[in-house]
Amino acid sequence: AQSVSQHNHHVILSEAASLELGCNYSYGGTVNLFWYVQYPGQHLQLLLKYFSGDPLVKGIKGFEAEFIKSKFSFNLRKPSVQWSDTAEYFCAVRGTNFGNEKLTFGTGTRLTIIP
Amino acid sequence: DAGVTQSPTHLIKTRGQQVTLRCSPKSGHDTVSWYQQALGQGPQFIFQYYEEEERQRGNFPDRFSGHQFPNYSSELNVNALLLGDSALYLCASSGRTSGTAEQFFGPGTRLTVL
Repeated sequence: AQSVSQHNHHVILSEAASLELGCNYSYGGTVNLFWYVQYPGQHLQLLLKYFSGDPLVKGIKGFEAEFIKSKFSFNLRKPSVQWSDTAEYFCAVRGTNFGNEKLTFGTGTRLTIIP
Repeated sequence: DAGVTQSPTHLIKTRGQQVTLRCSPKSGHDTVSWYQQALGQGPQFIFQYYEEEERQRGNFPDRFSGHQFPNYSSELNVNALLLGDSALYLCASSGRTSGTAEQFFGPGTRLTVL
């Protein structure tokens, strides 16, 4: 069974601070990894994804994430956050075997940026 | 290019009733997945439809059923509603032939069961 753990439930930062949100997954095989963001009142949007290749992936709005296979982790980072980054962030995992396309999400991390 | 659309936006039902939610996938997509997002939780996979068949199912009871039409749109039906079915129901579409099968999400339908 696949699962995702996001240990930070609510993070509060000041503008310009650096951000790192933790994500650990459990899955017995090759995975695709995702970070989705849900801004207040908006639908889930893809922030970035890892399928294969370079474990450091860059997404939209200056976000990046690093896949560390040995640690089963896919942490999200941003060097300098902005007030507009206030949102809910979800890490998700999916197996790569044919027929298993369901996304398994973590419980999410609520990020609040103080101006 | 329209993204994933869902209807209705909000819905209020009482226990024991039945509900139907609708989803139109993003243009060019042929696969539809449904998720339930309870308050304060991440989305939970309900099932996925491709070629008008249920291809994969999560841990949801048979009260949850679905359908996919020839134009790839989809419906989610929930029978004998329980208070615990109150949630945001998300539809996601993807293009199975694209290879990456990245899922695009709709705005959701907020279901409240009283």
